[in-house]
Order: sequence, then structure tokens, then C-alpha cells
Amino acid sequence: NAGVMQNPRHLVRRRGQEARLRCSPMKGHSHVYWYRQLPEEGLKFMVYLQKENIIDESGMPKERFSAEFPKEGPSILRIQQVVRGDSAAYFCASSPGTGFDVGYTFGSGTRLTVV
Amino acid sequence: LAKTTQPISMDSYEGQEVNITCSHNNIATNDYITWYQQFPSQGPRFIIQGYKTKVTNEVASLFIPADRKSSTLSLPRVSLSDTAVYYCLVGDSGAGSYQLTFGKGTKLSVIP
Repeated sequence: NAGVMQNPRHLVRRRGQEARLRCSPMKGHSHVYWYRQLPEEGLKFMVYLQKENIIDESGMPKERFSAEFPKEGPSILRIQQVVRGDSAAYFCASSPGTGFDVGYTFGSGTRLTVV
Repeated sequence: LAKTTQPISMDSYEGQEVNITCSHNNIATNDYITWYQQFPSQGPRFIIQGYKTKVTNEVASLFIPADRKSSTLSLPRVSLSDTAVYYCLVGDSGAGSYQLTFGKGTKLSVIP
């Protein structure tokens, strides 16, 4: 039973390019979350999705960032026109339900470097 | 959301017991306490969760006093592989509590 799969593990983009980060949740998990972690910082919530629905995107920057979780396939976090400040580790988590006491499983992250 | 405070870093020798204390003075009645572990270049991993008194699993123990304003994660006989950042989180069990709030955590360094 594979865990949360994220790819790529490392992504290098030039300023102005687009970055696409993919996340496949654990089998049986229908709730997906994206977090961003800057160096020496804790993870910050970005967005919560269920299949074909964005439930809460309150942590996502208003511009250039978007997320989706289509009926088929992985969840995608898209960053358009990347800037140096977007360099960070992006983690995806999934869960079978919501609530603080359910089991959240995190992937190994995608490290985005903008040059 | 209850704010948590924990030491920035700790050092320990191999084989020792490590106790990391987290303060959460404004914890609410419905709040649980959860600890996560994060290795370099990895996502956080759930360690243990509790509501009151003591919880123990194969990895760690969690001690929560009666007033629940703090909690202590205890790692018995640490090894070099326990070097990681440990996060204390507090949140209620309601369906709306899906945003996990991570502080900077405690960076544990285990020394040979």
C-alpha cells in the first residue's frame, strides 16, 4: 500500500516559467491538502481539495497559484510565472476524512528551486 | 487555534531518554495534542496523539498534566536516527479542523 506519492522530488524553474507539482493520495483517501515549507520554518497550509472540488484555498496566494484534484488522476498544484520567493518545499497530505484526530499522511515533498 | 511554544533545539547523547515539552496555555476543551516528526528532505510523520494523562505507543510516550496547558513527548533511548524536527500541534476533532498549524518545531540532534 503505497503512501502519498509526490513528483517530481526536485524541480528547477527559471523565473517566469510554470511549475506543476503532482500528488497521488493514499489509496482510500479522498481528501488532499497542500502545504508549503520555507527553509527553517514549519509547514503552512495552502489548500484543501476533494475530488473535483476546492474546499478551502484560504492559504493560497491569490495570484499565480492554483490547485485541482480531478476525477481521474493526481492532484496538481500549479504555479505560474514563478519568482525566486516561490522556492520552497511543497508537501501534499491526504486523509480518509477530516478533523484533527484523523490520520494525515504526508508525501516526501517537491523541492522547487527558482533560478 | 491554540498557540504552541516549544524549544527551538535540543541535543542528546545516544541511549538517553529525551523529553520535549510543549506549552499550549489556551488549549480548548475539545482540543487534542499531536506530535509529528520530520526528517530532512521528508514530509512530517505522525508520532503520537493524546487528550489527557498518558499515551504510549511503540515509538514514544506523551504525558499530559491535568490542566492540559502543556505536554511532554518522551523518546526512550534515542539513537542517531531520531535526529529530526519534532512538532507539537493542537486542534479539535471537529470536521472543520483540517488545517494543521506547524510552528518551527524542536530540532533534536542526537550525538554519538
